[in-house]
Parts: sequence; structure tokens; C-alpha cells
Amino acid sequence: AQSVSQHNHHVILSEAASLELGCNYSYGGTVNLFWYVQYPGQHLQLLLKYFSGDPLVKGIKGFEAEFIKSKFSFNLRKPSVQWSDTAEYFCAVSAYSSASKIIFGSGTRLSIRP
Amino acid sequence: NAGVTQTPKFQVLKTGQSMTLQCAQDMNHEYMSWYRQDPGMGLRLIHYSVGAGITDQGEVPNGYNVSRSTTEDFPLRLLSAAPSQTSVYFCASSYPGSYNEQFFGPGTRLTVL
Repeated sequence: AQSVSQHNHHVILSEAASLELGCNYSYGGTVNLFWYVQYPGQHLQLLLKYFSGDPLVKGIKGFEAEFIKSKFSFNLRKPSVQWSDTAEYFCAVSAYSSASKIIFGSGTRLSIRP
Repeated sequence: NAGVTQTPKFQVLKTGQSMTLQCAQDMNHEYMSWYRQDPGMGLRLIHYSVGAGITDQGEVPNGYNVSRSTTEDFPLRLLSAAPSQTSVYFCASSYPGSYNEQFFGPGTRLTVL
């Protein structure tokens, strides 16, 4: 069964700082990978996804993530954060062979100081 | 399209009571799932369904039942509520070919006293 680890529970940054949130997954086969964001008081929405091809994936709002298969990682990056990026970020994985079942990580809370 | 809708938004139960959380989607999505969100634990999959009449257990299925009689609806039943089931519950849907991009409902905040 697949699993996801997000090691950063709470990250605090100043505006304009660069962001990298770690995500590692455990599964031996082909996977689909996702980053979701939950803004305060809102439900989850998709930031970006990887299913094949270029391992560098670009999403909405200037976010990107890189799939490194050898490291089982899918880290989320943004070169310059804004106060409006304050939210909780979730990494998720689904096995290609069982695409209806998606497993989420425990989330990383991002706080941006204005 | 309304997307994924959930009712109620808030609910308070006493230990031992039963209730059903409703979830409906109007996007004709085959896949539907239920998650619970708890602080520090992210979202955990309770049950999921790949189509009408087909359901399967997720990571934390104990204490919950589901059924899928139609493509649109996927209710979650708490048979005998316990304080450990205090959580925020999210329903989500997706479709084959979307590589399982989930569309989430607004959530139900449940408190069990």
C-alpha cells in the first residue's frame, strides 16, 4: 500500500522568501502525485499534479514540483512567496494500478509574515 | 454545476447516536471518496467507491458504513458515534482519465460529545 510523508509540519517564512516543502512517498510501482492547498476556511483545491512525462510540473499561482523517482520525492517549490500563500499544503499519491484510491500526507502549515 | 455538495455543514451528536452524512455530485464522476481531517494527521481515507454498487475500505474504515446506489450519491453512515469520530469530513469525486484529480466538497464538521 502507498503512503506519504511530509516532514515539515509548520513552516514560517517572510514575504519574498523562497519555499520548498518536502514530500516523500512509499510505493514500488508507478504513481500519480499531487499537491493540494487548503486556504483558511476553505476546502482543498488542486495546485498541481504529475502523472507522466516531464518530472518538473508547473501549477497554479507560481508553484512547481519536481518528481525525483530515485528519491521517491515530489517536493513543492515557489521562488517568492506572498502573504496570500498562507495555507495548509498536502501532498498525495495514488497508485497507477489503483487510481481511485488516493492517500494524503499529514500536511504542512505555511505561515507567511507580511 | 454545483460540483460536490455535502450536508449538513455542522453536526453535534451524543455518544452512541447514529447519523448519515450526505454527499452528492453532479459531474457524473465514477469515483467518490470520504476522508476525515484531523489536526496533524492530514486527510485519511475512510471509504471509496469506483462506481455504483462498488465500495471499498480505505485507511480508517472502522465505525463507518457506505453504500453507492447511484453515481451521484455516496452517503457515509456513523452507526454508533464515538468522541474519536469528532472530525471534519470531506467527500470528493473524480473520474477515470483525470489521473485521480479529486474535487472536494465543502466539508462537514462533526462533534461527538
